[in-house]
Amino acid sequence: DSGVTQTPKHLITATGQRVTLRCSPRSGDLSVYWYQQSLDQGLQFLIQYYNGEERAKGNILERFSAQQFPDLHSELNLSSLELGDSALYFCASSVDPAGLVMETQYFGPGTRLLVL
Amino acid sequence: EDKVVQSPLSLVVHEGDTVTLNCSYEVTNFRSLLWYKQEKKAPTFLFMLTSSGIEKKSGRLSSILDKKELFSILNITATQTGDSAVYLCAVVEGNEKLTFGTGTRLTIIP
Repeated sequence: DSGVTQTPKHLITATGQRVTLRCSPRSGDLSVYWYQQSLDQGLQFLIQYYNGEERAKGNILERFSAQQFPDLHSELNLSSLELGDSALYFCASSVDPAGLVMETQYFGPGTRLLVL
Repeated sequence: EDKVVQSPLSLVVHEGDTVTLNCSYEVTNFRSLLWYKQEKKAPTFLFMLTSSGIEKKSGRLSSILDKKELFSILNITATQTGDSAVYLCAVVEGNEKLTFGTGTRLTIIP
């Protein structure tokens, strides 16, 4: 158990819908990272927040957005969902913003999203 | 476009065999290369490589980076069934962009 929690564990929804994935970082960690892992694209870095502010952006679609709240939990919002958005979404946390190097990141168990 | 390519895509060997996994990359501003092991859950960190020619070793696993030829290899000796996993390679660039390969699925047969 990494100490990072993600909810829900599984999510099934229809195309065109919007979902929110939630992540609670390890106690004391200020950085939260979101990743998408699909069968055809592999693991992709989406976005990083540090202490409430966006710090680095990866291959995140415009239909996706994220935020980090004052209590440091983060939400990833996926809208206008398409079949291709079906994937495993991981959240990770680390203590400092330089922790983009994954060595210092702790991964949550992931949310499996299925878009029908 | 930045690329990280892993080969082979899939590998099946018998327990006790030695395997070599490959990762080649083309990125603009290389900073480091990472190897991860992913079983059923989230990736687990194995190695971070930043300098050419310096082998990193952890038990039966070792890895080395060649910054001239733009590739890295991950070696696993005396493989065990617990080594069965997807092995991911990722490259970190100076602008903090992180690009993953699609992984190599390793299956160890008892």
